[in-house]
Amino acid sequence: SQELEQSPQSLIVQEGKNLTINCTSSKTLYGLYWYKQKYGEGLIFLMMLQKGGEEKSHEKITAKLDEKKQQSSLHITASQPSHAGIYLCGADEGFGNEKLTFGTGTRLTIIP
Amino acid sequence: GAVVSQHPSWVICKSGTSVKIECRSLDFQATTMFWYRQFPKQSLMLMATSNEGSKATYEQGVEKDKFLINHASLTLSTLTVTSAHPEDSSFYICSARDPRAGYTGELFFGEGSRLTVL
Repeated sequence: SQELEQSPQSLIVQEGKNLTINCTSSKTLYGLYWYKQKYGEGLIFLMMLQKGGEEKSHEKITAKLDEKKQQSSLHITASQPSHAGIYLCGADEGFGNEKLTFGTGTRLTIIP
Repeated sequence: GAVVSQHPSWVICKSGTSVKIECRSLDFQATTMFWYRQFPKQSLMLMATSNEGSKATYEQGVEKDKFLINHASLTLSTLTVTSAHPEDSSFYICSARDPRAGYTGELFFGEGSRLTVL
């Protein structure tokens, strides 16, 4: 089965600073999803990456998938308190398979 | 846009009772829904795949008789925790994909249901 490791496990960043969260897979990734979760709440979809070298951005968040499709990074520019939460990467097992294996999660805290 | 909704959002029950959690796709039909479980400060673990009109597919280590899943219609899947015990206390969350969006479409998650068993 596929395993996803996220780093760091937790991150405390001063407001306005940039940060990066990494997600590494034990197998080639077919579809890599990034979600944000507030504790005790549902998941908010951020982005999905499929192709090696693909990069997507939404507002101040950029996600990349490496050429070998085994590692993804999520970069936040000029962090804000609204960025605080738990970031989860999730991977599916291939085309047409909708169940996800999730990473270990990264808890992001933004301090003023 | 497409939305997946869960009910109840939180429930407290006595040990030994059964609790039903509903997962609905509000504006699309989902032949498949997924149930996850999340322990405090941990990631989501897939429990089972709910298949409309057929039996659910459970992940290894998940007790079928403990966690009953029924996907009676194209917009509703239910998870029943039978004879609940304190160790079943957790955050349960479902997901589904709008088939109109295809494979690259967003995989939607419900708001989650927090179960506390006393």
